[in-house]
Amino acid sequence: DAGVIQSPRHEVTEMGQEVTLRCKPISGHNSLFWYRQTMMRGLELLIYFNNNVPIDDSGMPEDRFSAKMPNASFSTLKIQPSEPRDSAVYFCASSPSAGFNQPQHFGDGTRLSIL
Amino acid sequence: DQQVKQNSPSLSVQEGRISILNCDYTNSMFDYFLWYKKYPAEGPTFLISISSIKDKNEDGRFTVFLNKSAKHLSLHIVPSQPGDSAVYFCAANPTGNQFYFGTGTSLTVIP
Repeated sequence: DAGVIQSPRHEVTEMGQEVTLRCKPISGHNSLFWYRQTMMRGLELLIYFNNNVPIDDSGMPEDRFSAKMPNASFSTLKIQPSEPRDSAVYFCASSPSAGFNQPQHFGDGTRLSIL
Repeated sequence: DQQVKQNSPSLSVQEGRISILNCDYTNSMFDYFLWYKKYPAEGPTFLISISSIKDKNEDGRFTVFLNKSAKHLSLHIVPSQPGDSAVYFCAANPTGNQFYFGTGTSLTVIP
């Protein structure tokens, strides 16, 4: 079974550039989550979707961050313009349904470096 | 504010001995707890969970204990194996809402 697929695995870009991270959740999963991992704060939830609808985006750090889920099999996280402090590993996760005590399944992450 | 805390960033244990990883939480509304294991360059993978109606859940070498009055949970690995070397995250979930993750504990099992 295919797990959560994220692309790219690594992204290095200069500050000010637009960055787009992509995620394909596990087929049949209704909930999708975007996390950012840093040494100081561990795994922080940025936003999550249920049935393609954003439910909670309170973790999105600034207006420079936006996320979309146009259909059940695809989501993007965009940073525009990017800044060096955005450098982190970004994970996407999916679960059969949010809020029903279901473990989340994570992708392998995108390591983002903003120079 | 970290609602889920893992105060030990790292832990080293000899192969065959017990590994005990600890986690504290602040929100009494949390009712479902999980442990994830993460290898370098991979995403976290689900390891074991426990509901607040229980105080213990066991799966092979892995046991999670929950002390609701102390708002504390722990993961016991017995016996520890070199392949258990990874970063372990605990997470907590109030029903119907998001998961809150700790900052992780890096476990090294020494052969």
